[in-house]
Amino acid sequence: EDQVTQSPEALRLQEGESSSLNCSYTVSGLRGLFWYRQDPGKGPEFLFTLYSAGEEKEKERLKATLTKKESFLHITAPKPEDSATYLCAVQEGSNYKLTFGKGTLLTVNP
Amino acid sequence: ETGVTQSPTHLIKTRGQQVTLRCSSQSGHNTVSWYQQALGQGPQFIFQYYREEENGRGNFPPRFSGLQFPNYSSELNVNALELDDSALYLCASSFPGSDEQYFGPGTRLTVT
Repeated sequence: EDQVTQSPEALRLQEGESSSLNCSYTVSGLRGLFWYRQDPGKGPEFLFTLYSAGEEKEKERLKATLTKKESFLHITAPKPEDSATYLCAVQEGSNYKLTFGKGTLLTVNP
Repeated sequence: ETGVTQSPTHLIKTRGQQVTLRCSSQSGHNTVSWYQQALGQGPQFIFQYYREEENGRGNFPPRFSGLQFPNYSSELNVNALELDDSALYLCASSFPGSDEQYFGPGTRLTVT
């Protein structure tokens, strides 16, 4: 069974203090790894899809990387508006189902 | 703005009742998936519909059922509601051939 573990569960940063979120996964035949951002009471917002080890994608202050066992979401010089829960999900083989981790709650203080 | 809408926004039901939640996808999104998200947890896959047929199901009992219509709308029906069914229900849709799923804002269901 696919498993996704995210760490830390919660992270509090000062504005401008860079850090990384971790997503470890176990899946037989990774089709894709996805990062989403979720604000309280809202649906997840798509950020990135990564398909193979070594792949990197960037968007504003966020950069996602992928290895064979984990993915990192690097946040450079975060701002208070980056505060949200960041969710990681995997998709296996020909199955379109997404298996999510519990998320990391990021708080960026001004 | 994903173009995926859900209704209602919030709903309160009593244990044992039945509920229908609705989702409207973007035109051309022929795949829709439904997820249940309990407080403090990641979304859990309920089932997926492709071209109006169920195309995969997660570990949810048969009292969770769905429909997909030709106009890119879909429904999630839950019978015999239980207290543990209280959650945020999300639908997500995809373009043909795309792996990326775009989520709606969700329906918050409270069962008392």
